[in-house]
Amino acid sequence: LAKTTQPISMDSYEGQEVNITCSHNNIATNDYITWYQQFPSQGPRFIIQGYKTKVTNEVASLFIPADRKSSTLSLPRVSLSDTAVYYCLVGDPGGTSYGKLTFGQGTILTVHP
Amino acid sequence: NAGVTQTPKFRVLKTGQSMTLLCAQDMNHEYMYWYRQDPGMGLRLIHYSVGEGTTAKGEVPDGYNVSRLKKQNFLLGLESAAPSQTSVYFCASSYTTRLSYEQYFGPGTRLTVT
Repeated sequence: LAKTTQPISMDSYEGQEVNITCSHNNIATNDYITWYQQFPSQGPRFIIQGYKTKVTNEVASLFIPADRKSSTLSLPRVSLSDTAVYYCLVGDPGGTSYGKLTFGQGTILTVHP
Repeated sequence: NAGVTQTPKFRVLKTGQSMTLLCAQDMNHEYMYWYRQDPGMGLRLIHYSVGEGTTAKGEVPDGYNVSRLKKQNFLLGLESAAPSQTSVYFCASSYTTRLSYEQYFGPGTRLTVT
């Protein structure tokens, strides 16, 4: 998995849009960008995955510029329940990787009332 | 569907004792994984399995053994527990790894070794 860099922590308020940026300068051609969310005392939960441009689902959007050296997870109108750790992972899940995940320290997002 | 379940939820062991953690999934997934998470850190892969009867080492396999005798179950064993194995253990499974890093995680087992 390619090395990623993301902010250690972020603060926001209810109703705001939150953007968490992840840097991955050494991303390879076959690599995908994946984001997980982890609440305290729970296992991580898959949020979104993308390869290029923009991906959107019911939870979040993922923006990936043309050079793919960074990506931004966007959470619209956050609520207190979005307080969690967010992990950015970059790699090729196929082949002999067998989908193995390597998590960094992640970004601690705290949403305030 | 229950998804991924883990047994037990909590356990306290004395140094040198042994135990087995059970992971079960009812989604007919081929791939299963065991991770550990230490305070303030991300998850690290211990062992994984790409199908029934197969196992392989991950990033931190020392002190652990695994078995996958049935497709739906993945067991993690500690033969002689050490304080350094105090951690939260997560099991995960996925249907396919082709073009996808989507894994489903269990609720975790909090293990303390004294």
